[in-house]
Amino acid sequence: NAGVTQTPKFRILKIGQSMTLQCTQDMNHNYMYWYRQDPGMGLKLIYYSVGAGITDKGEVPNGYNVSRSTTEDFPLRLELAAPSQTSVYFCASSPTSGVSQYFGPGTRLLVL
Amino acid sequence: AQSVTQLGSHVSVSEGALVLLRCNYSSSVPPYLFWYVQYPNQGLQLLLKYTTGATLVKGINGFEAEFKKSETSFHLTKPSAHMSDAAEYFCAVSVGFHTGTASKLTFGTGTRLQVTL
Repeated sequence: NAGVTQTPKFRILKIGQSMTLQCTQDMNHNYMYWYRQDPGMGLKLIYYSVGAGITDKGEVPNGYNVSRSTTEDFPLRLELAAPSQTSVYFCASSPTSGVSQYFGPGTRLLVL
Repeated sequence: AQSVTQLGSHVSVSEGALVLLRCNYSSSVPPYLFWYVQYPNQGLQLLLKYTTGATLVKGINGFEAEFKKSETSFHLTKPSAHMSDAAEYFCAVSVGFHTGTASKLTFGTGTRLQVTL
């Protein structure tokens, strides 16, 4: 199993551009999550999904969108990139509620 | 809402010395508690977790943590530090399972562990 994979590893965006961060898991997990990590701030939940077709907002959803058409994939969309979205983004998955989450390697995003 | 406080953003210990990383939580219901480790330029890896039962939890790489309800703490310890333990450590709490929703993790701000010769 590859676990949770994320692409790209690093990206530079100009203000106002859009992009999609890809996340795929091969563990057949129902639950998937997107976090952002800023220096000294820990990880903040952006969006999460409890299964295909079901998504919900986390703590910091503004400026982002998600979709979940399959169990495996959970892409994160940035429509109008802003400097405040410069961060490291982590995708995670878990088989059920209340158990530990498995994290991907992260995508480092720089918005200039 | 739940919260996590990690005391000390940076901790430095000598190789072979005791490692103690502090974590206190706030939750209105019994929580699940986790410690994750992050090595440079990598994702988070689970060290250990507490759900129910025995309050002393053993994890990977010789780490352990004790859930103390009376102190609302879940401190991480290792008897003897190794150079390879240098990393950032995150404490996290989850209460989502109580409501049948996704187990959303609330993270502390992290503690960077430095190990010196």
